[in-house]
Amino acid sequence: EAAVTQSPRNKVTVTGGNVTLSCRQTNSHNYMYWYRQDTGHGLRLIHYSYGAGNLQIGDVPDGYKATRTTQEDFFLLLELASPSQTSLYFCASSDEGGIYAEQFFGPGTRLTVL
Amino acid sequence: AQSVTQPDARVTVSEGASLQLRCKYSYSATPYLFWYVQYPRQGLQLLLKYYSGDPVVQGVNGFEAEFSKSNSSFHLRKASVHWSDSAVYFCAVRVNYAQGLTFGLGTRVSVFP
Repeated sequence: EAAVTQSPRNKVTVTGGNVTLSCRQTNSHNYMYWYRQDTGHGLRLIHYSYGAGNLQIGDVPDGYKATRTTQEDFFLLLELASPSQTSLYFCASSDEGGIYAEQFFGPGTRLTVL
Repeated sequence: AQSVTQPDARVTVSEGASLQLRCKYSYSATPYLFWYVQYPRQGLQLLLKYYSGDPVVQGVNGFEAEFSKSNSSFHLRKASVHWSDSAVYFCAVRVNYAQGLTFGLGTRVSVFP
């Protein structure tokens, strides 16, 4: 079974702070995704990647950067955090990224921006 | 752009009763359709998926879903729920490689003994 881990699980920062959320998957999946989950909006795609060094823009990318350093590791960066970025963040991975491919989700990181 | 509507934000059901969760999508063609479940304090897990073939597709843990092209729907159901089915259920679609999954807002299911 796919294993996707995220760290930290909880993070509190202040407005203007610099935050990095980490995701690692250990199943040799090529595709990785960052989503945010908010009440009233469901899950929304922020960024995704086809492989190391690749980055694709999702549906709600403003205020976020991402970097895929290796096949296993995908980072989400908030360089000037704002209260509107308070959310539950999920990382996911999939094999080959085919449209029909199952995405395996991590346990989530709850971020609070004061 | 495609969209997904789950009209029921919360559903309460007694253990052993049947369950149906509704999902309607808006897209000109048939998208790839998914149901995911989120248990408390966990990430999402795939229940089932559909693109073509028999409109009734079987998933894990006794769940099944029925696709209707005429109604643009992909409803999830289970014949007899257990307390462990209490969770949030998300319907999702995907239409092409350039986009990720588009999720509905989810339906929170509470199963009472």
